[in-house]
Amino acid sequence: DGGITQSPKYLFRKEGQNVTLSCEQNLNHDAMYWYRQDPGQGLRLIYYSQIVNDFQKGDIAEGYSVSREKKESFPLTVTSAQKNPTAFYLCASSTPPGRGNTGELFFGEGSRLTVL
Amino acid sequence: AQSVAQPEDQVNVAEGNPLTVKCTYSVSGNPYLFWYVQYPNRGLQFLLKYITGDNLVKGSYGFEAEFNKSQTSFHLKKPSALVSDSALYFCAVRDNNFNKFYFGSGTKLNVKP
Repeated sequence: DGGITQSPKYLFRKEGQNVTLSCEQNLNHDAMYWYRQDPGQGLRLIYYSQIVNDFQKGDIAEGYSVSREKKESFPLTVTSAQKNPTAFYLCASSTPPGRGNTGELFFGEGSRLTVL
Repeated sequence: AQSVAQPEDQVNVAEGNPLTVKCTYSVSGNPYLFWYVQYPNRGLQFLLKYITGDNLVKGSYGFEAEFNKSQTSFHLKKPSALVSDSALYFCAVRDNNFNKFYFGSGTKLNVKP
């Protein structure tokens, strides 16, 4: 089935360590996104990519890095520079509306990162 | 600038009663509007969308939403709530110029038996 796969679902990290969250999609979508969700809060955009080998900072990019070497993959690295990394991370993908597409976002199941 | 507002942090409703979750938006150009639902520790699931056409949009699980251009609103509705509808609901608007989405802060729906 087509969809977005995020891994791992749960991740524990010690302070000072970098961690990488995986996001893979087989929907043939051009655009991919990373959001952060904190308890009781909405979604905040970290990074997004509209095409392979290109990405843009979102609203809270500091302390994070991404790459987009393949259309299907958009991994997120949470670096030690991120001061408060404990959160729920959501990956999503989309394609522009038109040609039978309605342009909604498709989400993965999320990755919960806890810093010990 | 594009933005979405969900004025209620929480909505409480009894099972079997109608429910409404409110959303207002600000967008330049024609709005592409969406509703999503999130269950605990899960990703967001798409419920319905408004792109063009009829102002009343029907979606998954018996939900519908009414687009009101003059009031810039896109309220989510369901005629008869179920306990299983209890979840977090997000309204979103798409900025087609930059291929970005803007989300409201979310509304927690509690349906009591």
